Amino acid sequence: DTEVTQTPKHLVMGMTNKKSLKCEQHMGHRAMYWYKQKAKKPPELMFVYSYEKLSINESVPSRFSPECPNSSLLNLHLHALQPEDSALYLCASSQAGQGHYGYTFGSGTRLTVV
Amino acid sequence: GQQVMQIPQYQHVQEGEDFTTYCNSSTTLSNIQWYKQRPGGHPVFLIQLVKSGEVKKQKRLTFQFGEAKKNSSLHITATQTTDVGTSFCAGSNDYKLSFGAGTTVTVRA
Repeated sequence: DTEVTQTPKHLVMGMTNKKSLKCEQHMGHRAMYWYKQKAKKPPELMFVYSYEKLSINESVPSRFSPECPNSSLLNLHLHALQPEDSALYLCASSQAGQGHYGYTFGSGTRLTVV
Repeated sequence: GQQVMQIPQYQHVQEGEDFTTYCNSSTTLSNIQWYKQRPGGHPVFLIQLVKSGEVKKQKRLTFQFGEAKKNSSLHITATQTTDVGTSFCAGSNDYKLSFGAGTTVTVRA
């Protein structure tokens, strides 16, 4: 299995809602990432988990809360988001962290906050 | 902090022509990676360059890593309509990967 699976593919949520994005990989990768991508922009790093521990938090607002239940799963919990948080949220994984290996990206969750 | 600059931002190419996209880093990189994102899709890893002066080829794509490990280029020959999309370079400083702004290519038949 050489894929990163993300669910849901599309999500529309209100500003008072709580929702979660899910990501799963079975490649034995030990680093997992959350990226945010706006239209016509590069992916913007949010969080890095290395060996199931949070190693990088790029000063992301607390309304985004990551969780890594085990080495194959990564969640992103969303609460009280703003319309400007609407974007494509990409999960990625790599053999290890620190940019030493290529990343495998999931197909993303397209989030709309209304 | 580390920045990776990529030019041009947009490239409109006649089918069959060649073009090149360039990346420059403000600091020495441990490696540089290239990704391709098709319209409506997600980034897909193409290649990683690690050694100073390294050159790698994938069919019509030629990737180069500069001698100082601060710049890289992607040269595409004989552009096809399937080449539409955005190519991103991403440089690593052994801490994290930083993406360039991307070069978005459109092709006229």
